[in-house]
Amino acid sequence: GQNIDQPTEMTATEGAIVQINCTYQTSGFNGLFWYQQHAGEAPTFLSYNVLDGLEEKGRFSSFLSRSKGYSYLLLKELQMKDSASYLCAGMDSNYQLIWGAGTKLIIKP
Amino acid sequence: IAGITQAPTSQILAAGRRMTLRCTQDMRHNAMYWYRQDLGLGLRLIHYSNTAGTTGKGEVPDGYSVSRANTDDFPLTLASAVPSQTSVYFCASSEAGATDTQYFGPGTRLTVL
Repeated sequence: GQNIDQPTEMTATEGAIVQINCTYQTSGFNGLFWYQQHAGEAPTFLSYNVLDGLEEKGRFSSFLSRSKGYSYLLLKELQMKDSASYLCAGMDSNYQLIWGAGTKLIIKP
Repeated sequence: IAGITQAPTSQILAAGRRMTLRCTQDMRHNAMYWYRQDLGLGLRLIHYSNTAGTTGKGEVPDGYSVSRANTDDFPLTLASAVPSQTSVYFCASSEAGATDTQYFGPGTRLTVL
């Protein structure tokens, strides 16, 4: 079956760095997406990786290892506004997104 | 302002009633999607449309139907609502291919009693 695993909840301190991990099993693979979702709001796009390696975009970076079925989202210089759920989604061979349940990130001052 | 709108924002519905959730985008995106989001579960695809005039079934299509008469609108209909359809429903769109970024509407919170 197809599956996306990510931690349910993480806590970090303002100004620190946090890494949110995601492992995936999909039928075929056409890329890995990360979205941010604030409580009560719609998901918004953060990153897309289809090749191995690290992609940096400001304070956020995303890493992919296709051989390990593994990705992580790295958030640096955490701000209180980064408190949100982070959704990992893998795209299968039919180009459909398989979504994880999301990781709720709590930022403490 | 370009984007996706959904209506209603929230709705309480009696079981057995028919309900249509509306979704409109003004970005001229070809592809549109309907998801449901339930606590503790990931977003699950209900139906999708790659282009006007075509639709396809997602992971959880039973009890739902869609139509795509034009590029902008993608309504989702519950023919006879059941309590298990209580959820938050998100409409999304992407420009062309499935690997393109999906942009989400604000969601509709539906409660079926």
